[in-house]
Amino acid sequence: KQEVTQIPAALSVPEGENLVLNCSFTDSAIYNLQWFRQDPGKGLTSLLLIQSSQREQTSGRLNASLDKSSGRSTLYIAASQPGDSATYLCAVAGSNYQLIWGAGTKLIIKP
Amino acid sequence: DGGITQSPKYLFRKEGQNVTLSCEQNLNHDAMYWYRQDPGQGLRLIYYSQIVNDFQKGDIAEGYSVSREKKESFPLTVTSAQKNPTAFYLCASSWTQPSNTEAFFGQGTRLTVV
Repeated sequence: KQEVTQIPAALSVPEGENLVLNCSFTDSAIYNLQWFRQDPGKGLTSLLLIQSSQREQTSGRLNASLDKSSGRSTLYIAASQPGDSATYLCAVAGSNYQLIWGAGTKLIIKP
Repeated sequence: DGGITQSPKYLFRKEGQNVTLSCEQNLNHDAMYWYRQDPGQGLRLIYYSQIVNDFQKGDIAEGYSVSREKKESFPLTVTSAQKNPTAFYLCASSWTQPSNTEAFFGQGTRLTVV
């Protein structure tokens, strides 16, 4: 059974720092991996989707990598800003298209 | 504007009462999903539907029911059999082609038992 883990559960860094969020999964047979952002009391916003055949995806200051063989993905945020404060979730899609979720990393960027 | 609309944003349920959460999408997606989110936990799948008039139970379907009479709509009913319904409920939709399963979410409904 696929399990997805995100470590750390919470992270607080000063504004301007580059940072990395981690996501690990136990079964490498995935279709894709998706990173989402969730603001308090809100729905989820898709940030990046990496297909199983891809190694990374970039959008603005965000870069997500995927290493299927080791069961890991990282979300790199460059030059962090207070507006980046949110909970970041990763989810993997298996052969039945179902998403298996990590519990998220709560990120706080201090001005 | 394409997207997913959930309503209401806040919902209060009395003990023993059934309530229905609405989810509508105009993205022409085949698949729709209902998730429950509790503090400190990942999203848990309640029900999903990949085609009209068909749906499957997720990991925590007990105490919930759904229907998929139209492609655009996937309402969730929280029945009195659900003993701990207070949670944040999220609806999502996606295509089902292996090359395109990116999920899009509504803004959620917060259900509270009073």
